[in-house]
Amino acid sequence: EVQLVESGGGLVQPGGSLRLSCAVSGFTFSDHYMDWVRQAPGKGLEWVARSRDKGNIYSTEYAASVEGRFTISRDESMNSLYLQMSSLKTEDTAVYFCARVAKTYHYENWGQGTLVTVSS
Amino acid sequence: DIQMTQSPSTLSASVGDRVTITCRASQSIVTWLAWYQQKPGKVPKVLIYKASTLQSGVPSRFSGSGSGTEFTLTISSLQPDDFATYYCQQYKSDPITFGQGTRLEIK
Repeated sequence: EVQLVESGGGLVQPGGSLRLSCAVSGFTFSDHYMDWVRQAPGKGLEWVARSRDKGNIYSTEYAASVEGRFTISRDESMNSLYLQMSSLKTEDTAVYFCARVAKTYHYENWGQGTLVTVSS
Repeated sequence: DIQMTQSPSTLSASVGDRVTITCRASQSIVTWLAWYQQKPGKVPKVLIYKASTLQSGVPSRFSGSGSGTEFTLTISSLQPDDFATYYCQQYKSDPITFGQGTRLEIK
């Protein structure tokens, strides 16, 4: 069974940093693209970042709104995906989901989400 | 960036109704489109991918159609469990973008 479990969310002040983790199991991690998607309170879904698979040398992409502030990475030995967030802004407040990208490129599995609140 | 526009934003319907939600892309995405259902406080769940392929385990009352820039999600006979918010998503090109959502409410 595929499982994605996020952790690391919490309350942080504007300008601060936070690292989110997503522990995965039930599939070959290196074979899949993995994304972070967020949802601000009461709002829609917003793609944040992508880590491609081993065949694509784990290349990355970012939404313009987080480029230069967020870094996506993965540790294959730990079967974990990460999102390092810095220079956080109040508008980064959201539930952050990690998602497994299917071979047909839609989101096949989602984690339960972790809430990040940026506030003074 | 490819903009995705859903209509309507809110839809009121009754159990047993046939409902259709439309999603328009600002440029052709061929059939690189998925539909997700999300209930309050829950994780999104994929219903349809490649515009018309039903995800395994999803009831057959859900169907998707379209190509290019115009797509539809149809629920043939609404069930109580279907009242939720629905999102379309394009994955033809980065950045991946979602529609703003359609909230399906009980009339």
